[in-house]
Amino acid sequence: KQEVTQIPAALSVPEGENLVLNCSFTDSAIYNLQWFRQDPGKGLTSLLLIQSSQREQTSGRLNASLDKSSGRSTLYIAASQPGDSATYLCAVLRGAQKLVFGQGTRLTINP
Amino acid sequence: GAVVSQHPSRVICKSGTSVKIECRSLDFQATTMFWYRQFPKQSLMLMATSNEGSKATYEQGVEKDKFLINHASLTLSTLTVTSAHPEDSSFYICSAPSTSGGTSSYEQYFGPGTRLTVT
Repeated sequence: KQEVTQIPAALSVPEGENLVLNCSFTDSAIYNLQWFRQDPGKGLTSLLLIQSSQREQTSGRLNASLDKSSGRSTLYIAASQPGDSATYLCAVLRGAQKLVFGQGTRLTINP
Repeated sequence: GAVVSQHPSRVICKSGTSVKIECRSLDFQATTMFWYRQFPKQSLMLMATSNEGSKATYEQGVEKDKFLINHASLTLSTLTVTSAHPEDSSFYICSAPSTSGGTSSYEQYFGPGTRLTVT
């Protein structure tokens, strides 16, 4: 059974810092991995999708990496801003188009 | 990107009544949609897969007679919570995958969610 773990559960940093969120998964047989952002009481916004054959993806200040063999992904956020405060979720795609989610990292950027 | 809508965004109902939640793909067709439940400060748990033209498939532990799913068209799936109880209060989110490209490029698009409160 695929399990996805995110560390840390919560993170609070001053504005302007670079930071890394971690995601690990137990079964390396995945099709892809997605990082999402969720604001309180809202749905999910897709940030980055890394296909199983890829090592990383970048979008603006965000960079996500994938190491399938070790079952790990990281989301790097450069020059953090208060608007980046949200919960970040990673999810791996397994068979039948099903996503398995981690518990999320609740990020707070302090002005 | 693709857009998925949900209606209503919030609903309050009395215990014992039924509530229907709609999920629509606005600018693409979806033969498959997914329904998730999220409790406060917890992650999303997949409840069921909605299949256009056939029965939904439910995850282990989800009561199919309580959570009725109907995928009426290529753009609409509905989730009906029957005989709702306070413990059904939760945030319900639907998603639909893109169908372009190969499996590894499947991307899920999520609706904004529906907050259900059962009193």
